[in-house]
Amino acid sequence: AQKVTQAQTEISVVEKEDVTLDCVYETRDTTYYLFWYKQPPSGELVFLIRRNSFDEQNEISGRYSWNFQKSTSSFNFTITASQVVDSAVYFCALSETTDSWGKLQFGAGTQVVVTP
Amino acid sequence: GAGVSQSPRYKVAKRGQDVALRCDPISGHVSLFWYQQALGQGPEFLTYFQNEAQLDKSGLPSDRFFAERPEGSVSTLKIQRTQQEDSAVYLCASSLAYEQYFGPGTRLTVT
Repeated sequence: AQKVTQAQTEISVVEKEDVTLDCVYETRDTTYYLFWYKQPPSGELVFLIRRNSFDEQNEISGRYSWNFQKSTSSFNFTITASQVVDSAVYFCALSETTDSWGKLQFGAGTQVVVTP
Repeated sequence: GAGVSQSPRYKVAKRGQDVALRCDPISGHVSLFWYQQALGQGPEFLTYFQNEAQLDKSGLPSDRFFAERPEGSVSTLKIQRTQQEDSAVYLCASSLAYEQYFGPGTRLTVT
């Protein structure tokens, strides 16, 4: 069963618009980690953020912000004032501590297309 | 370089051929993971090493897939008798703690 769901397959925006990517996860663990990765057209996955299950504080890093809500099992990602360089596929991933060794379980990804 | 490197970047194999994919992790990273990414999908876990020990190979799709990391550094993923369904990007990641850092991947095409 898919443990990480990214319902949006593709989002297209015009530069400077904000875009929010949804991520819903499923786990029975009380301790777990959530991640976001960016995969630009070059193909290399770039780490963006890690959040543990005990830290529900929202986080902002430049134009990026993350909203973690355990009550709804969601870890959403917002890009503010999008730029063409933000065009990429974004993956949400879950690492469960009862699972082995920190392996990542990825969602299917959301393609973000930012046009000038 | 400081990042994870993989070679070759592209590999075309005829069905039935054996292939070997190499991963050079970030120096000092104890953990090494292999993932398979089919077109339009998220990466799927294949196997995990802690130093030279292969602690989890539950994601390997068949016994044609074999991975090793004999000296706890470089790792090789070998696929025997390749099939068309093996066509995918194979990603390697290394880790010291929780964050995994990925290489550029090897795109395997089986014709």
